[in-house]
Amino acid sequence: AQSVTQLGSHVSVSEGALVLLRCNYSSSVPPYLFWYVQYPNQGLQLLLKYTSAATLVKGINGFEAEFKKSETSFHLTKPSAHMSDAAEYFCAVTGGGNKLTFGTGTQLKVEL
Amino acid sequence: EAGVVQSPRYKIIEKKQPVAFWCNPISGHNTLYWYLQNLGQGPELLIRYENEEAVDDSQLPKDRFSAERLKGVDSTLKIQPAELGDSAVYLCASSPRTGYDEQFFGPGTRLTVL
Repeated sequence: AQSVTQLGSHVSVSEGALVLLRCNYSSSVPPYLFWYVQYPNQGLQLLLKYTSAATLVKGINGFEAEFKKSETSFHLTKPSAHMSDAAEYFCAVTGGGNKLTFGTGTQLKVEL
Repeated sequence: EAGVVQSPRYKIIEKKQPVAFWCNPISGHNTLYWYLQNLGQGPELLIRYENEEAVDDSQLPKDRFSAERLKGVDSTLKIQPAELGDSAVYLCASSPRTGYDEQFFGPGTRLTVL
């Protein structure tokens, strides 16, 4: 079975500051890990994914995440926040099949 | 390429009424998913189809929920009768084939049950 825990349901950063959204996973098999973003009244859009290749994964809009097996983590970062990054972010895990298990989400607020 | 299409986008009904949601996946995608997203929560899988076969419906409340994907393309999710607790966003997603890791999501249908 797989699960993810997202630490912090709300994160607030200043525009231009570092964004760090935390995700820890649990998986009985080598995991595939994903970060999705959801803007208000829209569906989920894939930011990036880890599928057992490079541990540092680069995604869209300047986001990246690093898979750390020893820490069972897959934290999402962006060096400089932009107002347009304000959204809800979901970490998700699958054991290589089709069943995605999502975290509870982190609402990112970007302030001037 | 067109994305996953869902309709309606919003639906308001009174409790005990029936309601149906429609999803048209990305062309050529054999796998289709229906998710339930409660406020402040991540999506939870209700049912997964491989072509026209429901291969995982373990989380679908079968007493009031039903789904179909008759020709292996578009799909309908129905609730009858709706309860207050069914108020949520219903998301549809698709992927090209079994085992393909990325899922592509539609905009969802926001259901409000009064």
